[in-house]
Amino acid sequence: SQQGEEDPQALSIQEGENATMNCSYKTSINNLQWYRQNSGRGLVHLILIRSNEREKHSGRLRVTLDTSKKSSSLLITASRAADTASYFCASMNRDDKIIFGKGTRLHILP
Amino acid sequence: GAVVSQHPSWVICKSGTSVKIECRSLDFQATTMFWYRQFPKQSLMLMATSNEGSKATYEQGVEKDKFLINHASLTLSTLTVTSAHPEDSSFYICSAREDNSNQPQHFGDGTRLSIL
Repeated sequence: SQQGEEDPQALSIQEGENATMNCSYKTSINNLQWYRQNSGRGLVHLILIRSNEREKHSGRLRVTLDTSKKSSSLLITASRAADTASYFCASMNRDDKIIFGKGTRLHILP
Repeated sequence: GAVVSQHPSWVICKSGTSVKIECRSLDFQATTMFWYRQFPKQSLMLMATSNEGSKATYEQGVEKDKFLINHASLTLSTLTVTSAHPEDSSFYICSAREDNSNQPQHFGDGTRLSIL
């Protein structure tokens, strides 16, 4: 399969709590990207982390990358109802091809 | 920020019809554009990569005669689903990227194709 793996597949948390999603990939990468998708819409780019970086922040988002374990995590702090969406990681391999993970469906409960 | 316009957003047509989907980068030049297919509650499956002025590179299992891709300019790529059948019904999404592979992809809003 060309897809990476993400866990959990689905996550429901209370508003205000932190949400953590994990992603694993299979081949050596140039970078890894995280995207958000609202139902029936295209993807919105959230953050890109290069293979030589270990952690990156953007607002309430924190992404880590562990190339030795071929894994990445996305942390959303102080979650809001508007964060309800599907989140995908996408790894760009050395052949310049992007492979998407299966996604995590995040539901923020009011 | 970079904007990618995809249209139509929704198409319903009869079996046997050919359908063209357009993907435009509005405020940047897209050296590379990608076409994806997404089934309900599933991830995106890369169908093909198109570079301006050259033939598209199709992923294994994707029929190039079925899904015709044209990337005639740095701002426009088209996907034509030829002689569409019900099994071609899906959500098709394009993305575009500037020439540096360490740049993110920018996605269109997708096209929902329903073949009756």
